[in-house]
Amino acid sequence: AQTVTQSQPEMSVQEAETVTLSCTYDTSESDYYLFWYKQPPSRQMILVIRQEAYKQQNATENRFSVNFQKAAKSFSLKISDSQLGDAAMYFCAYISGYALNFGKGTSLLVTP
Amino acid sequence: NAGVTQTPKFQVLKTGQSMTLQCAQDMNHNSMYWYRQDPGMGLRLIYYSASEGTTDKGEVPNGYNVSRLNKREFSLRLESAAPSQTSVYFCASSELGGNYNEQFFGPGTRLTVL
Repeated sequence: AQTVTQSQPEMSVQEAETVTLSCTYDTSESDYYLFWYKQPPSRQMILVIRQEAYKQQNATENRFSVNFQKAAKSFSLKISDSQLGDAAMYFCAYISGYALNFGKGTSLLVTP
Repeated sequence: NAGVTQTPKFQVLKTGQSMTLQCAQDMNHNSMYWYRQDPGMGLRLIYYSASEGTTDKGEVPNGYNVSRLNKREFSLRLESAAPSQTSVYFCASSELGGNYNEQFFGPGTRLTVL
C-alpha cells in the first residue's frame, strides 16, 4: 500500500519568515510524481508545486520550493517570505497511475 | 472558462435517501475523478473515469455509483445514503490520466447525512 505521512498537524510562521512542511511517503514504484496542494478556507484545492521522481533537481515555484530526498522518501515544502495569504491546509500527495494519494495535511497559520 | 463545476454546493439528506452529485468540466479533459474528504484526512479516491465510456473503482467505492455521461460530465450517485457518507466531495479532471497530468479540482460539495 502506498502511504503519505505528514507528521506536523499544525505549523505557525510569522509574516516574511520561512517555514518548512514535512512529508514522507512509501512506495515501491520507480516512476511517480509528488505534489503539494494548498486548501484555503474556501475549500478549493490548488496545486502549489510538482516534483518528478526521476529528476534530481528540486522543483521551485516563486516563493515555494521542495527538498526532495528520493532515497529517504522525503518531500518537504519550504515557503519563503511567508504572506498572510499562505495560511491554509497543505497536503502532500503522491501519484502513480490515476489516484492521488494524500497525506492528512498540515494546517499553516501565518501571524502578522 | 469555468474549469470544474459541481452542483450542489451543500446538501442535507436523511438516511436512506438517494441523490446524485453532478460534475462538469470545460477543459476538454479526458479523465475525471471523484474524491471524498473527511475531517482530519486528505482526499480519498472513490471512482475515476480514465476516458469517456470507462469507469473504475478507487480506494473507497462502496455505497457509490458513477456515470460518465459524456466527455464533460461525470456524476456520483448515492443510492441509499448513510451517515458514514457525510463528507465533502470533490470532482477533479485531468487532460490524461497518469502521473504527470495535473488534476484540477472543483469547489466541492458538502454533504450531511442525518
